[in-house]
Amino acid sequence: EAGVVQSPRYKIIEKKQPVAFWCNPISGHNTLYWYRQNLGQGPELLIRYENEEAVDDSQLPKDRFSAERLKGVDSTLKIQPAELGDSAVYLCASSARRDRALLGYGYTFGSGTRLTVV
Amino acid sequence: AQSVAQPEDQVNVAEGNPLTVKCTYSVSGNPYLFWYVQYPNRGLQFLLKYITGDNLVKGSYGFEAEFNKSQTSFHLKKPSALVSDSALYFCAVRDSRGSKGNLIFGKGTKLSVKP
Repeated sequence: EAGVVQSPRYKIIEKKQPVAFWCNPISGHNTLYWYRQNLGQGPELLIRYENEEAVDDSQLPKDRFSAERLKGVDSTLKIQPAELGDSAVYLCASSARRDRALLGYGYTFGSGTRLTVV
Repeated sequence: AQSVAQPEDQVNVAEGNPLTVKCTYSVSGNPYLFWYVQYPNRGLQFLLKYITGDNLVKGSYGFEAEFNKSQTSFHLKKPSALVSDSALYFCAVRDSRGSKGNLIFGKGTKLSVKP
C-alpha cells in the first residue's frame, strides 16, 4: 500500500503567484482532509471531503484558497494569489472508515507539501 | 472554546529513562483524545486514542497515555525511552462541535532522547 501521496514535496514561489498541491489518497478511502501546519504549530483543518462533496470548508479562506476532489479520488488545493503568511506545510489525510473518521481517528496522513512564499 | 495545550516545547530524556509528554484539554462533552507522532519529513502517525473505557490506554511503539478527567489531562508516557523515539509529538482532541470528526491539535512537543 503506497499510503497517501502528496506532491510536490517542496515548493518555493513569489508572493502573488498561484500554487497548487495534489493529493492521492489511499485507494478506497472516501474521506479526505486538507490540513495546514504552520511552523511550530499543530495542523489546522482547512477542508474535509466525503467522496467528492466538501462537507466542511468552514476554515478554508475562500478569497484565495480553493479545493476540488473530482470523482471522489484525487484532490487538489490551490492558492491564488499566495501571500507570505501562506508559508506552511500542507497535509493531506484520508480515511476508509467513516464511522472512525467521525470519531476522529482511523486516518492516514501524507508527508505534506512544504510551501515557502518569498 | 475547545483546545489542547502542550505546555512543553521540548522534552529531553536519556535513553532508558521513562518519558512523559504533557497534554491538557478543554472540550464540551466527553473528550475523544489522541496522540500522533511526526518524524522529520514524514506524515503524522497515529499512536493511540482514548474514546471510552480504561483510563490507561496502550498504543504503538510501547507508548501509553493516561486519561485523567479531573485534571483534564492526557499525558503520553513510555517506561524506557529509545533514541529512535526522538520526534515531534502532537496531542489532539476531536472537535465536538457538530459531528464531523475533525481534530484540534496542540502545537506539538519535540522529544529528544540522548544516548
